[in-house]
Amino acid sequence: EPEVTQTPSHQVTQMGQEVILRCVPISNHLYFYWYRQILGQKVEFLVSFYNNEISEKSEIFDDQFSVERPDGSNFTLKIRSTKLEDSAMYFCAIRDRGAQGNQPQHFGDGTRLSIL
Amino acid sequence: QKEVEQDPGPLSVPEGAIVSLNCTYSNSAFQYFMWYRQYSRKGPELLMYTYSSGNKEDGRFTAQVDKSSKYISLFIRDSQPSDSATYLCAMRLYNFNKFYFGSGTKLNVKP
Repeated sequence: EPEVTQTPSHQVTQMGQEVILRCVPISNHLYFYWYRQILGQKVEFLVSFYNNEISEKSEIFDDQFSVERPDGSNFTLKIRSTKLEDSAMYFCAIRDRGAQGNQPQHFGDGTRLSIL
Repeated sequence: QKEVEQDPGPLSVPEGAIVSLNCTYSNSAFQYFMWYRQYSRKGPELLMYTYSSGNKEDGRFTAQVDKSSKYISLFIRDSQPSDSATYLCAMRLYNFNKFYFGSGTKLNVKP
């Protein structure tokens, strides 16, 4: 079973609307990530989040994207004004910091976002 | 040049075969290497994780890292139809959070 739960499993939204995708880890973790996978394409890094702030982001993660951890548990990805090309699977991943800082990521099952 | 290259396949093998999946990378500073398995409409599932050159074995799976050649492999022994999935390699630099993924190799194990 994944260590994170993502909701909703499928989101259908009109172009231009805002969407919020949620990630709920089973237990406390240090690092949070969002990835995107367009159908048939590779998993693409969007953003990493550590200690309540963004630590790295990709060129995909432009001003229409934002992340936050509003209640210290849920981790959200907001897309302000969705475009057709935002249609993809969005995966949340978590990582702990081991003794040598080299722990792998564990992924949720994703949210399928469909923009109409 | 892409950071991580992976043959997309598809790779079709008979049940019981030994499967070899490979990735090459361009950045010699990558320190941590992972293999994930992804079933259709599911998230990537961690299979193997290593941070040094050499072999690491876990059941039917063996991960191999050759840092001098910038080449990693995943071997699956006695492959099963349930191994049919897309296999993703991923890697990370020391002290950075971003993970770099290959495009994935689709594997089909025929009964």
